Amino acid sequence: EVQLVQSGAEVKKPGESLKISCQASGYRITSYWIAWVRQMPGKGLEWMGIIYPGDSDTRYSPSFQGQVTISADKSIGTAYLQWSTLKASDTAMYYCARFLEWSSPDGFDLWGQGTLVTVSS
Amino acid sequence: EIVLTQSPGTLSFSPGERATLSCRASQSVTSSYLAWYQQKPGQAPRLLIYGASSRATGTPDRFSGSGSGTGFSLTISRLEPEDFAVYYCQQYGSSSVTFGGGTKVEIK
Repeated sequence: EVQLVQSGAEVKKPGESLKISCQASGYRITSYWIAWVRQMPGKGLEWMGIIYPGDSDTRYSPSFQGQVTISADKSIGTAYLQWSTLKASDTAMYYCARFLEWSSPDGFDLWGQGTLVTVSS
Repeated sequence: EIVLTQSPGTLSFSPGERATLSCRASQSVTSSYLAWYQQKPGQAPRLLIYGASSRATGTPDRFSGSGSGTGFSLTISRLEPEDFAVYYCQQYGSSSVTFGGGTKVEIK
């Protein structure tokens, strides 16, 4: 089955670090980009950034540049989103999604189930 | 950065009615790179329309997309109970992605 499976919910304290994952199965991860999307409680979708696991080419939204790090390990078909210093305002649902390429009209055609990150003292 | 505006934030309809949702861009969007997503409570978004007017796999034909330049729309010809949800437009050109703020379609 073609799917993206994300790591489980996390509860962290402000100032802590965190790395969440998104594992691709049923297709070759090196053939697609993987995007990360934030959804704060009761709010809309925000694009954070995107990585091409084939060569680790990474682009960030200006709003998230320097705030998070996106990486990937193509050998295990997994993309990551990490924070070095969490803040309460990082509390949100985080989704990963698949994207074919910038010159393709296909959109984000496959989504993970989401990882809920709660940051609270 | 291209800003996408979806207004109003909420639309109310009865089942069976026709719904048209609007998405306006701050600058011209290449039509090939405009998509619509549906999100239901507690679920991940789901791709409905890509390339402004192409239905994604599994999208019922009561959903249609249209538009060009800075104005795009999503039309649901006859609302079914399962269509009451939040809808987002998205553009993905020039190595950047933005989403609209979303329109909630609720039952009147």
